[in-house]
Amino acid sequence: AQSVSQHNHHVILSEAASLELGCNYSYGGTVNLFWYVQYPGQHLQLLLKYFSGDPLVKGIKGFEAEFIKSKFSFNLRKPSVQWSDTAEYFCAVNPTDPGGSYIPTFGRGTSLIVHP
Amino acid sequence: SQTIHQWPATLVQPVGSPLSLECTVEGTSNPNLYWYRQAAGRGLQLLFYSVGIGQISSEVPQNLSASRPQDRQFILSSKKLLLSDSGFYLCAWSTGGGQGAWGTEAFFGQGTRLTVV
Repeated sequence: AQSVSQHNHHVILSEAASLELGCNYSYGGTVNLFWYVQYPGQHLQLLLKYFSGDPLVKGIKGFEAEFIKSKFSFNLRKPSVQWSDTAEYFCAVNPTDPGGSYIPTFGRGTSLIVHP
Repeated sequence: SQTIHQWPATLVQPVGSPLSLECTVEGTSNPNLYWYRQAAGRGLQLLFYSVGIGQISSEVPQNLSASRPQDRQFILSSKKLLLSDSGFYLCAWSTGGGQGAWGTEAFFGQGTRLTVV
């Protein structure tokens, strides 16, 4: 079974700082990749996703992620964070090979706090 | 547009009492439905999924059960709650895919914070 590792459990930044949240997975086949965000008091919502094509994916609110297949990574980035980016971020990986589980496995999440 | 409703938002129940959490989806037909549990620092754990009425797949052995009495209704239950059942429960739906597969993404409800005392 696949596993998903988010290295940073808690990140604290000041506004305008750059952000990179790590996500690595263990699965040798084809995958779909997701980043979800949960703002305080709100439901989980999709930030961005990768299925195929350009490995650099752009999502909402200025976020982007890069799929590096050789490193089994899908790191989330934002050049300049805002206070409103304070949230919990989840990476999810979905194997798509025949015989795969077809339902994504989530990482433990990263709590991001941005100070104004 | 599609919406997902989950209730109640918070619940405090004594050990040994029954549980019923409800989730309904509007604006779509034959969705795949999911129950997740979110524990602090442990991400989302898939508990059950359903690809159709009366069809439930369990991912982990536990004290909980799920039912799907209608196409867009998904219920999480327990006959007798344990302390370890405390947590944050999320319902989600996705466009129908074989074996419970997600479509392009899944859409989550607001969640239920369950505290067993």
